[in-house]
Amino acid sequence: DQQVKQNSPSLSVQEGRISILNCDYTNSMFDYFLWYKKYPAEGPTFLISISSIKDKNEDGRFTVFLNKSAKHLSLHIVPSQPGDSAVYFCAAQSPGNTPLVFGKGTRLSVIA
Amino acid sequence: DVKVTQSSRYLVKRTGEKVFLECVQDMDHENMFWYRQDPGLGLRLIYFSYDVKMKEKGDIPEGYSVSREKKERFSLILESASTNQTSMYLCASSGGVSDTQYFGPGTRLTVL
Repeated sequence: DQQVKQNSPSLSVQEGRISILNCDYTNSMFDYFLWYKKYPAEGPTFLISISSIKDKNEDGRFTVFLNKSAKHLSLHIVPSQPGDSAVYFCAAQSPGNTPLVFGKGTRLSVIA
Repeated sequence: DVKVTQSSRYLVKRTGEKVFLECVQDMDHENMFWYRQDPGLGLRLIYFSYDVKMKEKGDIPEGYSVSREKKERFSLILESASTNQTSMYLCASSGGVSDTQYFGPGTRLTVL
């Protein structure tokens, strides 16, 4: 049973426009959420995170929104750049020192 | 900067061979993890460790074992490699609760 779901396997966006990547979760115990970015043949790199006590966290072009009642988070990238083309993984963690639970990823293609 | 290194970027083995994948981190992290990444399946946790000589099964431990004799090193062992273990293997480490996981570059293993 998938606890973290990324329902869009792929997304194409024009350069300069906004990219919105979505993630849903089912486990109400999750209290920490992260986004990772992965290029081919490389390990994932941490992008941005949010604690459940917040509903928004911003870092430059990247903003993560958390809607706890809907068990939904989204990553906004604006403006999108060709170098943002990668697979994006959403991850969630329960309280305590527990492993991250990852979604299956969304492949973002930013078209010049 | 956190550095997680993996012993090989690419590896080709034959069915039935014993395979060792090594991971080393240089940040004195307590937690270490092994994942595999397959198209359409995302990142799946194989084993993790919160301390030296300690190991916990992840979601897909069958066919794998691990060893953590030193804090900085976490090894993944395929006792008898099979073709369905052809995959990208990713090691990660983190310092503790709600701490970011840092990934190594990955090992692309092909079992013929």
